[in-house]
Amino acid sequence: GNSVTQMEGPVTLSEEAFLTINCTYTATGYPSLFWYVQYPGEGLQLLLKATKADDKGSNKGFEATYRKETTSFHLEKGSVQVSDSAVYFCALVPRGATNKLIFGTGTLLAVQP
Amino acid sequence: KAGVTQTPRYLIKTRGQQVTLSCSPISGHRSVSWYQQTPGQGLQFLFEYFSETQRNKGNFPGRFSGRQFSNSRSEMNVSTLELGDSALYLCASSLVLQGWETEAFFGQGTRLTVV
Repeated sequence: GNSVTQMEGPVTLSEEAFLTINCTYTATGYPSLFWYVQYPGEGLQLLLKATKADDKGSNKGFEATYRKETTSFHLEKGSVQVSDSAVYFCALVPRGATNKLIFGTGTLLAVQP
Repeated sequence: KAGVTQTPRYLIKTRGQQVTLSCSPISGHRSVSWYQQTPGQGLQFLFEYFSETQRNKGNFPGRFSGRQFSNSRSEMNVSTLELGDSALYLCASSLVLQGWETEAFFGQGTRLTVV
């Protein structure tokens, strides 16, 4: 079946540190891949996406590359800020499944000043 | 451009009651999906509607139902509420680009508490 596995949190970093949140997936065919962010008390916001192998999604300093060989979509940021503190969700949409997101468990990021 | 609007934001219901949640998608978006978020189960897909038709359904009991109106607004209904239905219910609307190239925009959710 289709599934997403994310690294366990919480991840605690100091401001300006480098961030990596690992995400691997299992899917039939080639899904579209997404990172969503959820701030406290809010819904989810799309952070970035990639729809085919080797695509790199990027937004607000965050990047993730669709790696078909390793079935991964790791989220990275070179220098985190306190305002990046949130829960990050990796997700996929199976090819042909239209609007049905399958989410990972989420990773809580806490950035300390 | 207005985002996805969910009403109400908070609800408290008693076991056995039923509840209806509403979602107004972004103008022009015809696909609406619903998700349940709980600490134990995470984010789980409930169902998706497109042009007033249910296109996808998750693994939830029949107590969970939904519908979509001609203006793309959607409602979900939960009957015979159980304590375990307490959750954040999120609605997402999408402009489906090429069948699967979904970019889903989420509302702020409705926090349902069953007592």
